[in-house]
Amino acid sequence: AQSVSQHNHHVILSEAASLELGCNYSYGGTVNLFWYVQYPGQHLQLLLKYFSGDPLVKGIKGFEAEFIKSKFSFNLRKPSVQWSDTAEYFCAVTYNNAGNMLTFGGGTRLMVKP
Amino acid sequence: EAGVAQSPRYKIIEKRQSVAFWCNPISGHATLYWYQQILGQGPKLLIQFQNNGVVDDSQLPKDRFSAERLKGVDSTLKIQPAKLEDSAVYLCASSLAGGAPEAFFGQGTRLTVV
Repeated sequence: AQSVSQHNHHVILSEAASLELGCNYSYGGTVNLFWYVQYPGQHLQLLLKYFSGDPLVKGIKGFEAEFIKSKFSFNLRKPSVQWSDTAEYFCAVTYNNAGNMLTFGGGTRLMVKP
Repeated sequence: EAGVAQSPRYKIIEKRQSVAFWCNPISGHATLYWYQQILGQGPKLLIQFQNNGVVDDSQLPKDRFSAERLKGVDSTLKIQPAKLEDSAVYLCASSLAGGAPEAFFGQGTRLTVV
């Protein structure tokens, strides 16, 4: 069965610290990978996505993620976080042989202290 | 561009009652998803439609949950009868068909079963 694991449930950082959130997915062939963010009181919105090409993907608000096929990973990074990055972050995957069924990880709640 | 519309935003019902949620996807989006997000967890796919056909409903508790998308546009999700464990946020999302489409999410309906 398709599954996505996010290693950290809660992360607390100070402003300007670097961020890396882990994401691993189960093997299932060719994948498309996504990071979504949910700011407090808001709906889920896309941060970035990977479907082919350069494995280093840049998204909005200074976020980036690297697809490492051999590790089945798609970790999210940001060199310097801001208080406004406080949110919940979800990794998600679709498999090309599974009709774009979007499967989410459990989420990581990030709190950035000012 | 109008986003995904969901109603109601909040609903409180007693166990064993029935409830229905409505979703209007972004115009032109063939794929529609319903997710259940229990507090502290990632969204879990309940059902995925492509136009008015079901692509996947393997995680839909069919003894109490039903969903339809009769004209391939808006959709309703029903729970009958509700249980305490159905308390969650019900998210609707839509996307274009094919490729690696981004799913756009609505604000969700927060259901509390008492």
